[in-house]
Amino acid sequence: EIVMTQSPATLSVSPGERATLSCRASQSVGTNLAWYQQKPGQAPRLLIYGASTRVTGFPARFSGSGSGTEFTLTISSLQSEDFAVYYCQQYYNWPPFTFGPGTKVDIK
Amino acid sequence: EVQLVESGGGLVQPGGSLRLSCAASGFTFSSYSMNWVRQAPGKGLEWVSYISGGRSPIYYADSVKGRFTISRDNAKNSLYLQMNSLRDEDTAVYYCARKDYYYDFVDYWGQGTLVTVSS
Repeated sequence: EIVMTQSPATLSVSPGERATLSCRASQSVGTNLAWYQQKPGQAPRLLIYGASTRVTGFPARFSGSGSGTEFTLTISSLQSEDFAVYYCQQYYNWPPFTFGPGTKVDIK
Repeated sequence: EVQLVESGGGLVQPGGSLRLSCAASGFTFSSYSMNWVRQAPGKGLEWVSYISGGRSPIYYADSVKGRFTISRDNAKNSLYLQMNSLRDEDTAVYYCARKDYYYDFVDYWGQGTLVTVSS
């Protein structure tokens, strides 16, 4: 089973600042990596797949990068609606599909 | 518009059973593989089970294998999760989640249904 880790657990950022979230896989997953955004009381939403392809409906301030075992989600200028929990998930080797524990982005 | 609407959650005693349903609309249900993913209160996401559009193959997380059964009725555009021998640690919001047509990530999620296992 591929184990996913994320850091930091919580990221405190001021509106307008840049946020950098990290995701690591216990073995290479190529670019078979997705990011999801989850706001309180809501279901997760697909944000990025293929490590770097942003889903329609999310603004360009969201970007993903990386391959192999190291991945990054960057939010270039945090807006109020971006404060949420972000999960990464590998879909290279399954079952099981495995998620990271999440990074909570909150207001500084 | 893709819609996934779960139902069937509730309070059940340890050892009890519950059947979750997910009504799908806005897409050709039989063409898509589906998943159940759960989230314990205040915790992260845990994949539970997968079923392909043609009902095979089926996969389960080790934590539910032998206790949960996933199924689907393509004529009714519905996905199900039969949960038996429920434990306290099965308490969670259960999400119905569609797998992307071409790749293996989840592209749409339902709003979830809460299952509480408690005496």
